[in-house]
Amino acid sequence: DTEVTQTPKHLVMGMTNKKSLKCEQHMGHRAMYWYKQKAKKPPELMFVYSYEKLSINESVPSRFSPECPNSSLLNLHLHALQPEDSALYLCASSQTSSGYNEQFFGPGTRLTVL
Amino acid sequence: QKEVEQNSGPLSVPEGAIASLNCTYSDRGSQSFFWYRQYSGKSPELIMSIYSNGDKEDGRFTAQLNKASQYVSLLIRDSQPSDSATYLCAVNMGAGGSYIPTFGRGTSLIVHP
Repeated sequence: DTEVTQTPKHLVMGMTNKKSLKCEQHMGHRAMYWYKQKAKKPPELMFVYSYEKLSINESVPSRFSPECPNSSLLNLHLHALQPEDSALYLCASSQTSSGYNEQFFGPGTRLTVL
Repeated sequence: QKEVEQNSGPLSVPEGAIASLNCTYSDRGSQSFFWYRQYSGKSPELIMSIYSNGDKEDGRFTAQLNKASQYVSLLIRDSQPSDSATYLCAVNMGAGGSYIPTFGRGTSLIVHP
């Protein structure tokens, strides 16, 4: 199984809502990533988890809160988002976070903040 | 600032031609390089990885790496309309013991029949 799954596929939320994005992989990978991608832009790295510990936070605002409950699951908790946070949120995984590992992406969650 | 540069295109080639996509990077210490294909509205899909100088071939795709020139390229032979997509170059750049996957802006490829 070489698949990374993400739920939901689409999410519309108001600025006062709290919601969560979920990512799952069953490839035995020990590194998982969250990216944000705006239209016609490259993916921007948000967070990296390595062996279930947060190893990189690319100065992401605190309204985004990541969580890694176990080696297969990654969540992104959303609270008090702004309309400019509307984007495609991508999860990826790799065997480890060492430099030579290929990343595999999930299909993404299309988020719209009203 | 560590950067990955790509020409945004679009690069337009006829069906059956060779498409050549280029990428340069700023971090001389980078060791791993990747090409992803992204169709509109979809997530990136890994095509090739390359770690050593020279060429690496996989089917119709050839990745080329020149670390001295800090240059990576992707050749697509016998281009098909289904190859029309945005091609993202990604470089793992060192940052204090960790590696930051850094993407270029992507090159839009159009293969016309």
